[in-house]
Amino acid sequence: NAGVTQTPKFQVLKTGQSMTLQCAQDMNHEYMSWYRQDPGMGLRLIHYSVGAGITDQGEVPNGYNVSRSTTEDFPLRLLSAAPSQTSVYFCASSYTGQESNSPLHFGNGTRLTVT
Amino acid sequence: QQQVKQSPQSLIVQKGGISIINCAYENTAFDYFPWYQQFPGKGPALLIAIRPDVSEKKEGRFTISFNKSAKQFSLHIMDSQPGDSATYFCAASMQVYKLSFGAGTTVTVRA
Repeated sequence: NAGVTQTPKFQVLKTGQSMTLQCAQDMNHEYMSWYRQDPGMGLRLIHYSVGAGITDQGEVPNGYNVSRSTTEDFPLRLLSAAPSQTSVYFCASSYTGQESNSPLHFGNGTRLTVT
Repeated sequence: QQQVKQSPQSLIVQKGGISIINCAYENTAFDYFPWYQQFPGKGPALLIAIRPDVSEKKEGRFTISFNKSAKQFSLHIMDSQPGDSATYFCAASMQVYKLSFGAGTTVTVRA
């Protein structure tokens, strides 16, 4: 099993450019989430999805869009990149929303730099 | 503002020693408290988790202590090994997929 796969691993953007961070999971998980990790701030939830066709905002959604057309894929779109979006982005998935024996599985991240 | 406060920011421990990381939360509706371990260049991975109906959970050298009345929980790493050198995050939530994370603690185990 590949688990949660994120592409690309690294990306440099100029201010104002747009791009899509890809996330795919092969575990048939219903729940998927996007987090950003910044020094001294831990991980913060950007958007999440509880199933295909259903998405909702997390703690820091501004400047990002998501969609969930299939169970497997959950892309994150930066509409107009800003230097404040320089961060490491993690996609995660879980089988259920409630059970503690269905933990959140994380990908290995995309390191994004906006100049 | 962060819903989960974590301390210390970093710690250094000798091989064989005990590492202790503390977390505090505000939202009394939280009922799931996991700890994640992260190595450089990797995503976080679940280490151990606890529900508020128990005060302690142990898995190998890792123990979570939970104090519901104080809204605090902590991770103890016994007999710390160099391979335990990593960043540790506490988290809390009502749903597994909507975790609120602490700021993280970098643990360095000196041989």
